[in-house]
Amino acid sequence: GESVGLHLPTLSVQEGDNSIINCAYSNSASDYFIWYKQESGKGPQFIIDIRSNMDKRQGQRVTVLLNKTVKHLSLQIAATQPGDSAVYFCAENNAGNMLTFGGGTRLMVKP
Amino acid sequence: GAVVSQHPSRVICKSGTSVKIECRSLDFQATTMFWYRQFPKQSLMLMATSNEGSKATYEQGVEKDKFLINHASLTLSTLTVTSAHPEDSSFYICSARGTGGLMSYGYTFGSGTRLTVV
Repeated sequence: GESVGLHLPTLSVQEGDNSIINCAYSNSASDYFIWYKQESGKGPQFIIDIRSNMDKRQGQRVTVLLNKTVKHLSLQIAATQPGDSAVYFCAENNAGNMLTFGGGTRLMVKP
Repeated sequence: GAVVSQHPSRVICKSGTSVKIECRSLDFQATTMFWYRQFPKQSLMLMATSNEGSKATYEQGVEKDKFLINHASLTLSTLTVTSAHPEDSSFYICSARGTGGLMSYGYTFGSGTRLTVV
């Protein structure tokens, strides 16, 4: 999702459901992508990454999908738990070898 | 795993004073360190990139004389906010990237510094 001014888009899910967080990236030359989780007052925490020569990568309870044709990245969280509540950012490693962050999406998990 | 320590976690300073924030890579050598700024409910915005032993590269709109960056060793980078004003109040986060192999894409983030200028 993209941020609009000072308002982060929010995804609200029920505990145990699956969550899908989307991200549109900007640079077709980006070769590496990362999803981060950020809790209030803390730095970003690495969740999962994917290189541009892949279209899917799975981790523990998380899956990242990459669609280079439309420059879209998604993060799927299976069996979402209250501890997953946080802000999630996608980031792209561009040709300058630095990370550019997306706007972020707030995930709220209802017990 | 790679760990980046950022200190202090919180600082309150008076307008006109300077504040130094440290970023250390604890178990790897960081050839490149990045400094980000984050306002409430917003994303991380890259301020500058620093390579060990050379001058930092600042992003457009970031005043290099106000945000002094020093990357004197492979494990330490500092950001000094000079003559701080209330509008400099923000969450500052550093990131370090190591050398070669699996670390070459390994961006590791510090825990952030909440700066409040009063």
